[in-house]
This record gives sequence, C-alpha cells and structure tokens, in this order.
Amino acid sequence: QKEVEQNSGPLSVPEGAIASLNCTYSDRGSQSFFWYRQYSGKSPELIMFIYSNGDKEDGRFTAQLNKASQYVSLLIRDSQPSDSATYLCAVNTGNQFYFGTGTSLTVIP
Amino acid sequence: DVKVTQSSRYLVKRTGEKVFLECVQDMDHENMFWYRQDPGLGLRLIYFSYDVKMKEKGDIPEGYSVSREKKERFSLILESASTNQTSMYLCASSPSDLADTQYFGPGTRLTVL
Repeated sequence: QKEVEQNSGPLSVPEGAIASLNCTYSDRGSQSFFWYRQYSGKSPELIMFIYSNGDKEDGRFTAQLNKASQYVSLLIRDSQPSDSATYLCAVNTGNQFYFGTGTSLTVIP
Repeated sequence: DVKVTQSSRYLVKRTGEKVFLECVQDMDHENMFWYRQDPGLGLRLIYFSYDVKMKEKGDIPEGYSVSREKKERFSLILESASTNQTSMYLCASSPSDLADTQYFGPGTRLTVL
C-alpha cells in the first residue's frame, strides 16, 4: 500500500464550478498535510497546508482534514482555466515526507 | 520569499558520464532534499540532508550520491549516468522542523543518451 494515494484523474470541471480533489494516507501518525500545484514542466508550488482536523480556507481554496478517516481533500471554488494543473498531496509522518502521484485537473472555459 | 535555485534547467549527458546537479537555497534552511519525478511514479526521494555534511538515503539512492559542504548548497552526483536516470530532478529545502513545508527549485530536466 502506498503511503499517499490520489486518483490520477483526469478531473474535468467547467469554469466557475467547484473542483474537489481527494487524498488518503496510510500512516495514522502523520502530522502535517500539504497541497501543491504543479503546472506542466514546472516545479511544485505550495498552495496550502493543514495540521488540524476540520477545514482551512485561503481565498478560493479550502483544505479539509479528517484524521479518523485518514483523508485530506482540497476544494477549489469558482474554478478558473488557470487552475488547470496537477495537484499533489503530501504528508509528513514526522520521519519523512511522502507525495502522492497527483491528480490532473482541467478547467473547461 | 524562499528562493531555491538549480544549476541547470536542461542537461544532456552521455551514458557513463559523471553528472553534477547543484542546488542552492537562500533562506538558511536546515533541510535539503533531492527528488526525481517520472510520469506515473510521482516524486521519489533520492537523498536528503538535515545538516551540513549529514546525509540520509531516501527511497531510491542507488546510482546517486550527494554532498553538502555548506548549509546553502546541496549537490546530487550521478557517478556514471545511465539512460534510466533520464528524469526531472527537483531540489527542495525546508526549515528546521522536518514537518514544515518544502520549497522547490525550478527543476533540472536531465536526458542521458
């Protein structure tokens, strides 16, 4: 079982819709959780991090963490074509950082 | 703003050559990392360092070595490049807490012919 699992997609949503990206992790001791955005040919850039159960909002982005279910998600409201990218979930277990393989998102104008 | 730079954006080498990839960060971060990223496999950790002259193997260290003589600089060395080392190489750094965010450099696309 992989440490971090994501649906590779592709996920397509129309412009203005809510995009929902999901991630599960295997280590119950994981401490911190991150979402990165990666445009094609570019390096990952941090969007958000979350440490505690519940929701964390930053502009159009909301990260949701449920440690009991070992589940973390990213919601993108009012999706824009510029949001089209691969989204990487990352988990820090205290010993190591693990990345998922990413979900490809396409926002259709 | 954290800045992580890598010595080359694109590099083409021949099989058997020794290859040096350099990474420099300007935020006095304790930890530095080298990953490779391949389609369908995601990011895989090669080596990381939590202090000068310290290094730890990641998930795929075979065929690679690293050097960290100064805090701001972390080098990845391919002793004898092979075609299966063709990949995107990403360097990252993070502050003293290993649970903290990692910041990435722009990446080096290495092709080994």
